[in-house]
Amino acid sequence: GQNIDQPTEMTATEGAIVQINCTYQTSGFNGLFWYQQHAGEAPTFLSYNVLDGLEEKGRFSSFLSRSKGYSYLLLKELQMKDSASYLCAVLDSNYQLIWGAGTKLIIKP
Amino acid sequence: DGGITQSPKYLFRKEGQNVTLSCEQNLNHDAMYWYRQDPGQGLRLIYYSQIVNDFQKGDIAEGYSVSREKKESFPLTVTSAQKNPTAFYLCASSTGTSEASGELFFGEGSRLTVL
Repeated sequence: GQNIDQPTEMTATEGAIVQINCTYQTSGFNGLFWYQQHAGEAPTFLSYNVLDGLEEKGRFSSFLSRSKGYSYLLLKELQMKDSASYLCAVLDSNYQLIWGAGTKLIIKP
Repeated sequence: DGGITQSPKYLFRKEGQNVTLSCEQNLNHDAMYWYRQDPGQGLRLIYYSQIVNDFQKGDIAEGYSVSREKKESFPLTVTSAQKNPTAFYLCASSTGTSEASGELFFGEGSRLTVL
């Protein structure tokens, strides 16, 4: 079967750095997405990786290793507003999205 | 401002009743999607539509129905045949005609509770 694994919950301190991991086992790979979802709100797009390496976008960076079936989202200079769930999703060989259950990130002052 | 509007935000229903969730977009997107989000699980695709008057079943279509009479609108009906309808429902759209076309734009969701 197809599987996306993310930690259920993580806690970090305001101003610090946190890395949220995502491992996947899917039938084929055509790209990986990260979305942010505040409680009770719409998910919003953060990043898309299809080639190996690091993509940086302001305080957020996303890394992909296709050979390891692994990605991470790196958040720097954490702010209280970064408290949210972070969803990892993979496009499989049929170009359909397989979603992880999400990682709830709690930021403490 | 362009975006996706879902209504109602909260909905309560008795067992055996059908209920329709509204989804409207003014982004001029061709493709629209309905997902279901349950605690501890990833989003699951219910139905999607790539073009007006056409729609396809997703992974968990049983007990649901949709229509796409206008480009802007993609309502979802949760029927009494859906065995476990209590969930958070998300509508989305994309510029292309499939999930592979890139970023999805989501509505703020509708939380349905069956009493």
